[in-house]
Amino acid sequence: DVKVTQSSRYLVKRTGEKVFLECVQDMDHENMFWYRQDPGLGLRLIYFSYDVKMKEKGDIPEGYSVSREKKERFSLILESASTNQTSMYLCASSLRLGGQAFFGQGTRLTVV
Amino acid sequence: SQQGEEDPQALSIQEGENATMNCSYKTSINNLQWYRQNSGRGLVHLILIRSNEREKHSGRLRVTLDTSKKSSSLLITASRAADTASYFCATDAGVQGAQKLVFGQGTRLTINP
Repeated sequence: DVKVTQSSRYLVKRTGEKVFLECVQDMDHENMFWYRQDPGLGLRLIYFSYDVKMKEKGDIPEGYSVSREKKERFSLILESASTNQTSMYLCASSLRLGGQAFFGQGTRLTVV
Repeated sequence: SQQGEEDPQALSIQEGENATMNCSYKTSINNLQWYRQNSGRGLVHLILIRSNEREKHSGRLRVTLDTSKKSSSLLITASRAADTASYFCATDAGVQGAQKLVFGQGTRLTINP
């Protein structure tokens, strides 16, 4: 059974903290993605990676960075968390860009 | 950038009825996909239809694609309470080297027993 696993379901962090969201996939997929989901705004792409150490900005990269040191792992970093980064974060992977995506269970992050 | 736009935003029907959701998009595509999301969970892929296909079936799901109108519809027949979820369409950018999935805002479907 294919799997994308996000390290936490729920996370509460303080304003100004550095936050790491981890995502691991076991499907040997080249492509990995980070989205955030907010009511009324749908899913918005933050960053994606099409190979190890390669990354591309999505639609809303400001305030975020990513790291992909190994093929199976894609990390989202909030350098200095702010309250407007309170959201549901979804990681996904795919074999082909534009192809079927497999999603993790989501991390609901609250910044207080 | 919002490529896909679902309509309606919310739909409430009785169990056993059919549910139809629509998606419109703006640019050319290679394929269009539909996903389902149960409350507070990740998205699950339902079906993919390629730009050269007009209709596709999977169990109780039927998807149509009209590239001339840049629109797609998802029909769920004989709905069940377990179909209650949000449904999203997703399109790829259709330009080589820039293909990424762009999602709409979703349709929230409620099936009443």
